[in-house]
Amino acid sequence: GAGVSQSPSNKVTEKGKDVELRCDPISGHTALYWYRQSLGQGLEFLIYFQGNSAPDKSGLPSDRFSAERTGGSVSTLTIQRTQQEDSAVYLCASSLSRQGGNEQFFGPGTRLTVL
Amino acid sequence: AQSVTQLGSHVSVSEGALVLLRCNYSSSVPPYLFWYVQYPNQGLQLLLKYTTGATLVKGINGFEAEFKKSETSFHLTKPSAHMSDAAEYFCAVSEPQAAGNKLTFGGGTRVLVKP
Repeated sequence: GAGVSQSPSNKVTEKGKDVELRCDPISGHTALYWYRQSLGQGLEFLIYFQGNSAPDKSGLPSDRFSAERTGGSVSTLTIQRTQQEDSAVYLCASSLSRQGGNEQFFGPGTRLTVL
Repeated sequence: AQSVTQLGSHVSVSEGALVLLRCNYSSSVPPYLFWYVQYPNQGLQLLLKYTTGATLVKGINGFEAEFKKSETSFHLTKPSAHMSDAAEYFCAVSEPQAAGNKLTFGGGTRVLVKP
């Protein structure tokens, strides 16, 4: 399939551990987005990448969260010293460009549970 | 700052009945508007979007929405509900002038279809 893929699909970790979530965007899509879906906060923007430009990190909730995108393709979202409130589904999306109105294609998400 | 309000977190409709999901936005300028659907344990799928032009937009699966600037609304409708329409629906906006096309979502409306 040519859709957005994410791994792992589920991740259970202990409080205080670090986790890495991976996103493979659709080939040729230059824009990549991370969102978080939680019961308390709904769907929230976290960060986006566009080509080689500096990422927009304005949605990251704390400095424990970081993300990188290597070679303009695969992205990794890292959460350090996880807390129980980090439990959520983390969704990745990609689009052809960051141009307004472009459709974002979403992956199936990674469900993170912090015990 | 933008905000999106979806009236009703849960809607129950009978099979064959009209589906009406309400979405109102708050924005200093008319935003780009989107409706996404999320089936259980899946990512979000675009139903339709409004960027410019005709204010009545037709999407997939028989859904349509109308942008009403005077009412700051973008309500989603389907004339006849099908069992397969049971899912969660999200209204989202992005700012035309802002770089990045990041989405701001409403709280979602879960649709239950009764036989």
